[in-house]
Amino acid sequence: GESVGLHLPTLSVQEGDNSIINCAYSNSASDYFIWYKQESGKGPQFIIDIRSNMDKRQGQRVTVLLNKTVKHLSLQIAATQPGDSAVYFCAENRATNAGGTSYGKLTFGQGTILTVHP
Amino acid sequence: GAVVSQHPSWVICKSGTSVKIECRSLDFQATTMFWYRQFPKQSLMLMATSNEGSKATYEQGVEKDKFLINHASLTLSTLTVTSAHPEDSSFYICSAKGELRSNQPQHFGDGTRLSIL
Repeated sequence: GESVGLHLPTLSVQEGDNSIINCAYSNSASDYFIWYKQESGKGPQFIIDIRSNMDKRQGQRVTVLLNKTVKHLSLQIAATQPGDSAVYFCAENRATNAGGTSYGKLTFGQGTILTVHP
Repeated sequence: GAVVSQHPSWVICKSGTSVKIECRSLDFQATTMFWYRQFPKQSLMLMATSNEGSKATYEQGVEKDKFLINHASLTLSTLTVTSAHPEDSSFYICSAKGELRSNQPQHFGDGTRLSIL
């Protein structure tokens, strides 16, 4: 349901700094995780993903770290630019159900507002 | 370019009217489409999952008679908000999943901002 009165965490950085955005997930059965960027008035944009058999994955200027022991996910953005300012969401994909069928449904985390100052 | 198109992008209407939102997959067949709702400063909440040719599966707490979903073809799903009221004002986002040369689990549209007066 809705989280009435809940404010999104915010992160403010200077242009050129590295940014780290964190996410805690709840379902230990989740086997696939994605980070999305959402700009104002737009849909989520895929950034990077990671499967549960990995603990680190790198992309262009971004790195995702997965700690399954504590169910924690982080997104690191190197040399952050003003164009990186947006809301960042992690999402987890449920693993197969008891019948072995994957729903493919995503559960989104709370989100973090990243503001990059020139 | 965009692989999922949503229309309209913004709609304002009077309380009591019904509003239809379209979600189209471009250049691929979407076996499954998802509808999300997002309130300001909040996360995306899944409303329902629809598979082509079958009834949609609604998440707990989502009224299926209020939010009618039709997935009549492999490239089109529609969400109709029936007898809309101000509390239905929100940002509605669809996504599509299908056979596409992409490792992404879902491709998202750019959302529809619905404002009920």
